[in-house]
Amino acid sequence: DAMVIQNPRYQVTQFGKPVTLSCSQTLNHNVMYWYQQKSSQAPKLLFHYYDKDFNNEADTPDNFQSRRPNTSFCFLDIRSPGLGDAAMYLCATSRRQGNTEAFFGQGTRLTVV
Amino acid sequence: GENVEQHPSTLSVQEGDSAVIKCTYSDSASNYFPWYKQELGKRPQLIIDIRSNVGEKKDQRIAVTLNKTAKHFSLHITETQPEDSAVYFCAAGDSSYKLIFGSGTRLLVRP
Repeated sequence: DAMVIQNPRYQVTQFGKPVTLSCSQTLNHNVMYWYQQKSSQAPKLLFHYYDKDFNNEADTPDNFQSRRPNTSFCFLDIRSPGLGDAAMYLCATSRRQGNTEAFFGQGTRLTVV
Repeated sequence: GENVEQHPSTLSVQEGDSAVIKCTYSDSASNYFPWYKQELGKRPQLIIDIRSNVGEKKDQRIAVTLNKTAKHFSLHITETQPEDSAVYFCAAGDSSYKLIFGSGTRLLVRP
């Protein structure tokens, strides 16, 4: 009955090799988020979609891109992963923007070798 | 921008004791304060939230208090049980999209 599903759970990629993480939701929520969480740190918002409108955080590196082809799916593309990009990547959804519960996926742990 | 500070980073309590985790925020426009629990290897899940129009909210053994003047809010867990062991994150948000998270508290409940 998972509502926000992330694939894969674990991803190993080579330094500089493009990688894509995926997220799908069965909640039909308007908003989808991507967070980066490094060890012992708070989740950091990279960007979010409100429907098809893409919103990038000012400090999100250009190396990170996202696609949302439809309501249910959202992808995180890392064009040239560096060692510093190794982290847990969390996808979340919410029914509307602000003031409301965010539903998280289980995350994808990315390792860069 | 908003900044959320969370303390302590680790907390160890005896089963049955209470646990308190505190957060402060900087943006007076913040009006939504959720708490998430993340068990090892699992997704963060909302356990309780409070909005700025109330000062306290309770749900069984869990309560959250909010002091808007001082810009801090706290999570209180009473009669702790081993299954309460997890990482707890506070967050602050406003009517825009953004939730800013605290750095987390690792709670260990010793049997």
